[in-house]
Amino acid sequence: GDSVTQMEGPVTLSEEAFLTINCTYTATGYPSLFWYVQYPGEGLQLLLKATKADDKGSNKGFEATYRKETTSFHLEKGSVQVSDSAVYFCALRIPNSGGSNYKLTFGKGTLLTVNP
Amino acid sequence: DGGITQSPKYLFRKEGQNVTLSCEQNLNHDAMYWYRQDPGQGLRLIYYSQIVNDFQKGDIAEGYSVSREKKESFPLTVTSAQKNPTAFYLCASNRDSKFTDTQYFGPGTRLTVL
Repeated sequence: GDSVTQMEGPVTLSEEAFLTINCTYTATGYPSLFWYVQYPGEGLQLLLKATKADDKGSNKGFEATYRKETTSFHLEKGSVQVSDSAVYFCALRIPNSGGSNYKLTFGKGTLLTVNP
Repeated sequence: DGGITQSPKYLFRKEGQNVTLSCEQNLNHDAMYWYRQDPGQGLRLIYYSQIVNDFQKGDIAEGYSVSREKKESFPLTVTSAQKNPTAFYLCASNRDSKFTDTQYFGPGTRLTVL
């Protein structure tokens, strides 16, 4: 079945440090890939997405590139801020398949803490 | 403003009681979902509905029930048959599309069984 594997946290960085959160996936079709962010006590917000190989999603200084050859979608940011402290989820979805594959398959999440 | 509302934010239940979590959206989305979040587990799909009066079991439906009588509403009932109901519950929705689409999430309900 489809699955997403994220690097285990927690990740603790100082402000302005470089961030990488690794995400790899296994899928039977050609998935769309997503990064969601969850701030403390809140629901999930879409951070960025990519729908085909070599696409780069970007938002708020975060980037991730869809790498089909390595089945990866690593999240990066050049300079993190305290306000980036949150849990980050990598997810996939198989489009055009209907049925239960409308669902998102999530990784377990990575807690990021950024210290001033 | 368009969005998804979930109520209540915090809910306490005694063992053996059923409880219903509310989810309402005014985004005119066809599809709605319920996920359960446990620490270190990510999100797991409980039920989903692609159209009114139709819903399907997700990966962990046992002990839960849903209804979809109106497009904008998708309430989740946690029954006494759910062995470990304490968790954070998230509702989501998206347009009914076979193509890539974004799921929008509500703020969640934290359920605690006393």
